[in-house]
Amino acid sequence: SYELTQPPSVSVSPGQTASITCSGDKLGDKNACWYQQKPGQSPVLVIYEESKRPSGIPERFSGSNSGNTATLTISGTQAMDEADYYCQAWDSSTVVFGGGTKLTVL
Amino acid sequence: EVQLLESGGDLVQPGGSLRLSCAASGFTFSSYAMSWVRQAPEKGLEWVSVISNNGGRTYYADPVKGRFTISRDNSKNTLYLQMNSLRAEDTAVYYCARDRGGRSLGFDPWGQGTLVTVSS
Repeated sequence: SYELTQPPSVSVSPGQTASITCSGDKLGDKNACWYQQKPGQSPVLVIYEESKRPSGIPERFSGSNSGNTATLTISGTQAMDEADYYCQAWDSSTVVFGGGTKLTVL
Repeated sequence: EVQLLESGGDLVQPGGSLRLSCAASGFTFSSYAMSWVRQAPEKGLEWVSVISNNGGRTYYADPVKGRFTISRDNSKNTLYLQMNSLRAEDTAVYYCARDRGGRSLGFDPWGQGTLVTVSS
């Protein structure tokens, strides 16, 4: 079965750029999405179709996807961005989520 | 406002059954595929099942195949998940989510979740 691999944790200082990777076989041939989940809350879509932001998502969130790796980038990271982040893609007719990355803003 | 509201979560014994519901409002429910996604305590997201907009196609994750059944009633704007032969490893918060379409637009919104606990 298809797997997506994310680093368990990423740390960033306020105002700096955070990058969270998601790796999967030929992931660049699929469409990757990213979700943010804060403690006690439901997931929120932050990136779809590799790099597009839904309405209401700040411009500091961006994404890319090429080869075997999709990347979520948060520019000028703020304390409110501290959360778990999950990548997601379709494999045939099933949905796959990455294991999640805990972003800590130090 | 686009909204999803799950219900039906409960404490159930191993081997038991439970039916979850997800009431949709604020959008044309019959135009969208819908999914169930679960999250075990302190764990990541795990996709469970998807149903097409008219209910004609359904797909399941391997761990629930043959035990869970997804369905929908477009006249009631409601999504269901029938869970049979429940196991301890099915313990999780279950979310319903709208598939925005095209396998590229992502899942949005998500409901608030309903907790299923399988324990004796």
